[in-house]
Amino acid sequence: EAGVAQSPRYKIIEKRQSVAFWCNPISGHATLYWYQQILGQGPKLLIQFQNNGVVDDSQLPKDRFSAERLKGVDSTLKIQPAKLEDSAVYLCASSREWSSYNEQFFGPGTRLTVL
Amino acid sequence: SQQGEEDPQALSIQEGENATMNCSYKTSINNLQWYRQNSGRGLVHLILIRSNEREKHSGRLRVTLDTSKKSSSLLITASRAADTASYFCATDEETSGSRLTFGEGTQLTVNP
Repeated sequence: EAGVAQSPRYKIIEKRQSVAFWCNPISGHATLYWYQQILGQGPKLLIQFQNNGVVDDSQLPKDRFSAERLKGVDSTLKIQPAKLEDSAVYLCASSREWSSYNEQFFGPGTRLTVL
Repeated sequence: SQQGEEDPQALSIQEGENATMNCSYKTSINNLQWYRQNSGRGLVHLILIRSNEREKHSGRLRVTLDTSKKSSSLLITASRAADTASYFCATDEETSGSRLTFGEGTQLTVNP
């Protein structure tokens, strides 16, 4: 089966600019996750969708980050405006259902550099 | 906040040797998982161990879980150069609602 697709792979922007990332999960996977991975650290969950509904966005900085999964398939994550500390790899993952017992499949990530 | 803390931060061994990585966590969990991340890639799920399990095997991987000590270990036997990667433990805390919390990882280098 095709894996999780993400684009772009790399993005360089200046602070205060806006940026958007796109993710297409594995077909049939109901749950979609966005993680932020700062260099040298483990991934941190930003937001989790079950179909097109948000089930956990407690760690999403809502003043500048937003995400949507309108049709319950692909998703976009937006940062507006970006700050220097947003430089990180943004990983998208999907799983069959909303349960930690379901294996999460990760995409290759988008590496964001904010100058 | 980071739940799991991996030890050591970095490990360098020769091909054929065994590699052991440890993970400690703070709160009660439903399960603990190990993931591998090759440089510049996404994470790959390796193994899941439930809170009522003490040991699990998958190929050359052996995972143990000690809930009384809130710790887990990942053993890779007969390591290969292709095992070079970062390894992360991830915990599902009982109160988290199925959210995985990742540790900071162990960077394993296997020298040919």
